[in-house]
Amino acid sequence: QVQLVESGGGVVQPGRSLRLSCAASGFTFSNYGMHWVRQAPGKGLEWVAVIWFDGGNKYYADSVKGRFTISGDNSKNTLYLQMNSLRAEDTAVYYCARGGEEMDDSSGYYYNWFDPWGQGTLVTVSS
Amino acid sequence: SSELTQDPAVSVALGQTVRITCQGDSLRNYYASWYQQKAGQTPILVIYGKNNRPSGIPDRFSGSSSGNTASLTITGAQAEDEADYYCNSRDSSGNHWVFGGGTNLTVL
Repeated sequence: QVQLVESGGGVVQPGRSLRLSCAASGFTFSNYGMHWVRQAPGKGLEWVAVIWFDGGNKYYADSVKGRFTISGDNSKNTLYLQMNSLRAEDTAVYYCARGGEEMDDSSGYYYNWFDPWGQGTLVTVSS
Repeated sequence: SSELTQDPAVSVALGQTVRITCQGDSLRNYYASWYQQKAGQTPILVIYGKNNRPSGIPDRFSGSSSGNTASLTITGAQAEDEADYYCNSRDSSGNHWVFGGGTNLTVL
């Protein structure tokens, strides 16, 4: 059974750091892109970052670039998000999600998806 | 990075058909994926690609695309379909992913 379980959330003061973890089971980590997505209280979904373990490429949303670092440990099947210089606007539930991507042969369109998602971990940045 | 635009709220009578739309420049080159999020729950994938449903998603959910607009259609909406729905795709740069602002669906 494919499963993702996040941990590491909590209350942290502005300017401080926090590291989130996402333990994966039921699939081979290195065959996929792994994403972090967050949702501020009462707000919509916001993509945060992605890492591909086969090539090591990493991409970040502009809102977190330079402050957050995504990484992973293939041997532990665990994804991480190191969050530095935290701000009040980083307060959110953080989800990890497995990413998939293919191309439709008939149209040439690419498409991606996030499945499954973890249950989320709440990060609250407050003094 | 580009944006994806959704109507904030849509309502449908029980058993009727509803279409939820998502507009954005990136949708001229990418198919959207769609997520359902019920109150207090984790998002789940309901449609991806041209019109693919993950295992366990009822066949009343379908997807389509035309130009810069992707659509999620629920044919014969049920009370349990009441939720927020989000579209998603890569953006035009290909290095970012974007979500629409979400559509809150009410089943009357």
